[in-house]
Amino acid sequence: EAQVTQNPRYLITVTGKKLTVTCSQNMNHEYMSWYRQDPGLGLRQIYYSMNVEVTDKGDVPEGYKVSRKEKRNFPLILESPSPNQTSLYFCASSSTPGELFFGEGSRLTVL
Amino acid sequence: AQSVAQPEDQVNVAEGNPLTVKCTYSVSGNPYLFWYVQYPNRGLQFLLKYITGDNLVKGSYGFEAEFNKSQTSFHLKKPSALVSDSALYFCALGGSGAGSYQLTFGKGTKLSVIP
Repeated sequence: EAQVTQNPRYLITVTGKKLTVTCSQNMNHEYMSWYRQDPGLGLRQIYYSMNVEVTDKGDVPEGYKVSRKEKRNFPLILESPSPNQTSLYFCASSSTPGELFFGEGSRLTVL
Repeated sequence: AQSVAQPEDQVNVAEGNPLTVKCTYSVSGNPYLFWYVQYPNRGLQFLLKYITGDNLVKGSYGFEAEFNKSQTSFHLKKPSALVSDSALYFCALGGSGAGSYQLTFGKGTKLSVIP
């Protein structure tokens, strides 16, 4: 089954404790992207990757890092999380421009 | 800069009635427009897209969307709403060029279909 898998789905952490949200896709897609969803703000792009070892900033990259060492994986790293990074995060991948496959989301709370 | 707007935060419609979820856009070149749906506690799912050609685009689950260049709109429609259509709907505008993967999303419209 074609899917984008994110882990963890839910996480409560404290300010400053480094965390990684993993994202893996099994569709051999070259394009992958991370978004955050906040009430009243819709989806905002954090980082994206056009291919292995190629990443670029989206609209709200501050406080986040990514890497793309393998085609299937695109982890999102929060080196020192802060409460304003409390959000619902989505990973997505695509092989057709504009047609994204989304993961189920990772709800992060930073205390 | 390009932008997309969904003027209604919430739309309520009775089951069996037609539904419309509105979207307007602003872009300097040709628009590439998309609709996505998000069911509770799920990720977004692609519904349909307009790239070029026929102004009426058909998509998944019986949805369709009408592209109107003069009104810069791309409204989502369905002839007869189902309770199961209740969800959050996002309009999105593609980046420059038909080959761009980048999307600018609207803020979303919550559709509630009342039995």
